[in-house]
Amino acid sequence: GEDVEQSLFLSVREGDSSVINCTYTDSSSTYLYWYKQEPGAGLQLLTYIFSNMDMKQDQRLTVLLNKKDKHLSLRIADTQTGDSAIYFCAETTGTASKLTFGTGTRLQVTL
Amino acid sequence: DSGVTQTPKHLITATGQRVTLRCSPRSGDLSVYWYQQSLDQGLQFLIQYYNGEERAKGNILERFSAQQFPDLHSELNLSSLELGDSALYFCASSVGDRPYEQYFGPGTRLTVT
Repeated sequence: GEDVEQSLFLSVREGDSSVINCTYTDSSSTYLYWYKQEPGAGLQLLTYIFSNMDMKQDQRLTVLLNKKDKHLSLRIADTQTGDSAIYFCAETTGTASKLTFGTGTRLQVTL
Repeated sequence: DSGVTQTPKHLITATGQRVTLRCSPRSGDLSVYWYQQSLDQGLQFLIQYYNGEERAKGNILERFSAQQFPDLHSELNLSSLELGDSALYFCASSVGDRPYEQYFGPGTRLTVT
């Protein structure tokens, strides 16, 4: 079945790297996504990775996928206060395009 | 700005009432998705339309219905509202009906009193 888990909270200092983790259970995942939600705002698509890839880099963002362990991570380099938000991982499975979301990780960036 | 628009931004109504939420997808997108975000259930997929036809259904209550019109905008109708229906309702759109990028609107916050 579909189940996507994330830790609830992460606090980092400005300038450090942040690593947000996600585990999923469905082995038929096709795409895995990271979305950012700022207070009172919608969901912003940050990046996504196809399930046959191991890594994807996009500027300060690095996505790592360990398909064997069903583990996805998002690394944000040089974290800034503007990165403070809730980060959701999500997956699609098979040919369906509906997103199954994780519980969200609140990232707090301190000075 | 994702290019997906939703109206209204906020809605306050009483139990037992009916409301309609509206969504306009990004230009060129044929698929529209509706999601509900609540504190106890998190973000849940409700329903997908592709080019006017229902394509997939998730955890959508029978009191809820949706449609996609020929101009591709979509409406989510919520009836016999209960306190537990209070949530953020998001619309998203994508180009096709296969797994790909989905872009979200700003959401409609529904409060049922």
